[in-house]
Amino acid sequence: DADVTQTPRNRITKTGKRIMLECSQTKGHDRMYWYRQDPGLGLRLIYYSFDVKDINKGEISDGYSVSRQAQAKFSLSLESAIPNQTALYFCATSDRIGDTQYFGPGTRLTVL
Amino acid sequence: QKEVEQNSGPLSVPEGAIASLNCTYSDRGSQSFFWYRQYSGKSPELIMSIYSNGDKEDGRFTAQLNKASQYVSLLIRDSQPSDSATYLCAAHNDYKLSFGAGTTVTVRA
Repeated sequence: DADVTQTPRNRITKTGKRIMLECSQTKGHDRMYWYRQDPGLGLRLIYYSFDVKDINKGEISDGYSVSRQAQAKFSLSLESAIPNQTALYFCATSDRIGDTQYFGPGTRLTVL
Repeated sequence: QKEVEQNSGPLSVPEGAIASLNCTYSDRGSQSFFWYRQYSGKSPELIMSIYSNGDKEDGRFTAQLNKASQYVSLLIRDSQPSDSATYLCAAHNDYKLSFGAGTTVTVRA
């Protein structure tokens, strides 16, 4: 089984809808991250969490919120989706040292 | 200025040749550096990490780091068609990884 899983893998939604992307990990890592990837822009950090009670904004957090339900679960929500949030979203984890990150399979989100 | 810059590519090399990928970073506080490989539509997969100046070899891959020049490179020897992918350079500082936009490599038979 994969160490980092993401659900759903693909999602098409409409402008204004609320949507939640979920990430689970079995690596036992404390740190979890959400990124989005757009063509030509690379990976950009949305939110990160060093433990259940420590959640921080990344470089592009506007329009997004997160919840760390447990050490192994980190969810990303789009409260009111807009078309420019169409992207590939990745969850990643790292251990306490925090440098090497391991990525989930990604969620392809399309907002119409 | 982006924190991590990579050759935009694409880079096309014949099978069996050496592919050379370059990366520069702007934050002198960065302490560790990574190369990830990403196939189209898939997630980034760690290939190499490097922490000290000099070369680090792992199979057909060699990473080179020069902190004075703020430069990281990746060499892929004996390139194979399966090496065709986008390669992401990343620099770690404090709490985060900063990624370059990636260089797309195509290995032609």
